[in-house]
Amino acid sequence: DGGITQSPKYLFRKEGQNVTLSCEQNLNHDAMYWYRQDPGQGLRLIYYSQIVNDFQKGDIAEGYSVSREKKESFPLTVTSAQKNPTAFYLCASSGQRLSNQPQHFGDGTRLSIL
Amino acid sequence: SQQGEEDPQALSIQEGENATMNCSYKTSINNLQWYRQNSGRGLVHLILIRSNEREKHSGRLRVTLDTSKKSSSLLITASRAADTASYFCATDPLTGNQFYFGTGTSLTVIP
Repeated sequence: DGGITQSPKYLFRKEGQNVTLSCEQNLNHDAMYWYRQDPGQGLRLIYYSQIVNDFQKGDIAEGYSVSREKKESFPLTVTSAQKNPTAFYLCASSGQRLSNQPQHFGDGTRLSIL
Repeated sequence: SQQGEEDPQALSIQEGENATMNCSYKTSINNLQWYRQNSGRGLVHLILIRSNEREKHSGRLRVTLDTSKKSSSLLITASRAADTASYFCATDPLTGNQFYFGTGTSLTVIP
């Protein structure tokens, strides 16, 4: 079945450590997105990519980094510069912009600080 | 912020009743989408309504869109306990490259 796979489901970060969240899609979508969701809140965009080897900062990119070396993959690194990383992270993908296609979401990664 | 707002923030109803939630947004849009999120899970797309449409149905879901008021509503008829979830609207703006999500409505359907 086509879909988006996020891993791991749970992740713990030690102080000063960088951690990487995986996101893979087999929907042949051009665009991919990373969102952060805090308890009881909506989604805030961290980074997005419309095409391979290109990505743009979203509203809350500080302390995060991404890469888009393959169409199927869009990993997110939470760096030690992100002082409040505890949140639920969601990856999504969609077809080309303005094509009236919805986003498809993975099941998220919950990141906590040890 | 271009983020939309939803109201109410929380809604509790009895099984069998209808649930209505509203979304307001700020920019001109290409379309508006509604999503559902069960606790601890990703978002699931429910329905997409284009800017030139005023109403759309899908099963027990009815969505309306008023672009002059920059608002949309989602109606769930004959609710079931399994409809308990958070519901989010998202706008696909005419300019820019990102979607904007509302703050969500938490729906509880009491059996």
